[in-house]
Amino acid sequence: EAGVAQSPRYKIIEKRQSVAFWCNPISGHATLYWYQQILGQGPKLLIQFQNNGVVDDSQLPKDRFSAERLKGVDSTLKIQPAKLEDSAVYLCASSMSVGELFFGEGSRLTVL
Amino acid sequence: AQTVTQSQPEMSVQEAETVTLSCTYDTSESNYYLFWYKQPPSRQMILVIRQEAYKQQNATENRFSVNFQKAAKSFSLKISDSQLGDTAMYFCAFSGETSGSRLTFGEGTQLTVNP
Repeated sequence: EAGVAQSPRYKIIEKRQSVAFWCNPISGHATLYWYQQILGQGPKLLIQFQNNGVVDDSQLPKDRFSAERLKGVDSTLKIQPAKLEDSAVYLCASSMSVGELFFGEGSRLTVL
Repeated sequence: AQTVTQSQPEMSVQEAETVTLSCTYDTSESNYYLFWYKQPPSRQMILVIRQEAYKQQNATENRFSVNFQKAAKSFSLKISDSQLGDTAMYFCAFSGETSGSRLTFGEGTQLTVNP
């Protein structure tokens, strides 16, 4: 069974530039999450989708971050404009049942 | 709101020995789940073990077991016969009935298994 796919694995940009991350969840998983993991910290939820609807985006900095999940499958997370403090690993995860989250390898963002 | 606290930023253990990682949490919910996730250097996080709060019996998965103390809101992970491949960041996580399936993570414990 294919796992959660994310791209790109690494991205370096300058502050005020924009960046987009892509995630393809495990087939059949209705729930998709984006987490931000700053170095040395635990992952923090940015947004949760159920199919193509948003369940929770209370921690998403909406002035610069946006996310969508078209057709209830793939998802894109965008940051525009990026700030230095956005340097982190962005983890995508999907699930079918409570707590059984399956994570991708993450997209590491460095903002200079 | 739920909080998860891991008070040990780093731990080390000799190969084949036993190590226990600590986790405490705070919640007002009565129905919830607790988890330990492992994040190896490749950074793909995988589930190690889960515990349903309504179950009194501690969960066990091969060399991994938990000590769940509901009244004390404590959830520690014991790794027996530690192996070099156990070297990773370990995260304790909480999922409450009202939060659906989304997880709240602790800050993590970096475990190093020494040969």
